[in-house]
Amino acid sequence: KQEVTQIPAALSVPEGENLVLNCSFTDSAIYNLQWFRQDPGKGLTSLLLIQSSQREQTSGRLNASLDKSSGRSTLYIAASQPGDSATYLCAAYNQGGKLIFGQGTELSVKP
Amino acid sequence: EADIYQTPRYLVIGTGKKITLECSQTMGHDKMYWYQQDPGMELHLIHYSYGVNSTEKGDLSSESTVSRIRTEHFPLTLESARPSHTSQYLCASTRGGFTEAFFGQGTRLTVV
Repeated sequence: KQEVTQIPAALSVPEGENLVLNCSFTDSAIYNLQWFRQDPGKGLTSLLLIQSSQREQTSGRLNASLDKSSGRSTLYIAASQPGDSATYLCAAYNQGGKLIFGQGTELSVKP
Repeated sequence: EADIYQTPRYLVIGTGKKITLECSQTMGHDKMYWYQQDPGMELHLIHYSYGVNSTEKGDLSSESTVSRIRTEHFPLTLESARPSHTSQYLCASTRGGFTEAFFGQGTRLTVV
């Protein structure tokens, strides 16, 4: 059974800092992994989808990596801004085609 | 921006009432999903559909029911709302399997 864990649960950084959010999964036989952003009380916004055959994916200041052998994915945010403050969720597809979510990392970027 | 819409955004309703949460997408996606999320907690899949007239229960047991009569529409119904149903309900869709998932803005339900 696929389980997804995100550490830390909360992170506070000063504006301009580069940061890394971590996501680990128990079943290395994943079928793609997706990172989302969720603002308070809102739905999820898709950030990046990494296919199981890829090692990384980039969009603007965001870079996500995937290491299936170690069961880890990271989301790198460069030059963080206060507008990046949100909860970041990773989700891994299991064999049945369902997305399994982690608990999220609540990021606060201080001006 | 994702073309998936949920109504209402907020709903406060009394115990015992029947409610339907609406979810529609204009992307022609075949797969649709309902997730439940309590404040500060992770998302749990409660229902999914792989196409018209196909519905399955998710990993988290729910007293709600769903239907999929049209590709673009995936409503969720609670026949008799209870305070334990208070939560945020999120609808999502994908095209095919293992592809990028798009979410609606969610419905925050409060049962008093």
